[in-house]
Amino acid sequence: QKEVEQNSGPLSVPEGAIASLNCTYSDRGSQSFFWYRQYSGKSPELIMSIYSNGDKEDGRFTAQLNKASQYVSLLIRDSQPSDSATYLCAVISGNQFYFGTGTSLTVIP
Amino acid sequence: NAGVMQNPRHLVRRRGQEARLRCSPMKGHSHVYWYRQLPEEGLKFMVYLQKENIIDESGMPKERFSAEFPKEGPSILRIQQVVRGDSAAYFCASSHSQVITDTQYFGPGTRLTVL
Repeated sequence: QKEVEQNSGPLSVPEGAIASLNCTYSDRGSQSFFWYRQYSGKSPELIMSIYSNGDKEDGRFTAQLNKASQYVSLLIRDSQPSDSATYLCAVISGNQFYFGTGTSLTVIP
Repeated sequence: NAGVMQNPRHLVRRRGQEARLRCSPMKGHSHVYWYRQLPEEGLKFMVYLQKENIIDESGMPKERFSAEFPKEGPSILRIQQVVRGDSAAYFCASSHSQVITDTQYFGPGTRLTVL
């Protein structure tokens, strides 16, 4: 079983819509969770981190964490074409970062 | 630009040659992580280093791969006798402290192609 699982997509949403990205993880003891954005051919860049159950908002981005169900999600409100990228979920398990394979998002103008 | 630097950005090697990938961490950072990203796969942790110390190399293949972070100069990931399966993007990340939750900042990556 993979430590972190994401739906690879592609996920397509129209401009202005809400994009919802989901991630599940296997280590119930994990306490730290991250979302990275990776444009094609570029390096990952951190969007958000979340450590507590519930929602964390930062601009158009909201991260949601549910430790009981072992999932973390990312909502992107008012999606823009510039949000088109691959979104990587990362979880700290033990003393290492584990990344999912990423969900490809396309925002259609 | 005080960000994480990697070079070369693209590296082509023939099977059996050696590949050397370099990473200069962000200014003020002394913790370096190497990851490999294969096509259609996620980032895989390889090794975590501090200056002159390998802290965790549990993700490194047992043979042909080695890493160092000398007192002076960049961190180097070395792949000996490369094979086609080594073709991937190799990313380096750096952080300020050893706290695992400290933000890791990624370099632009080195894309290795083995012919």
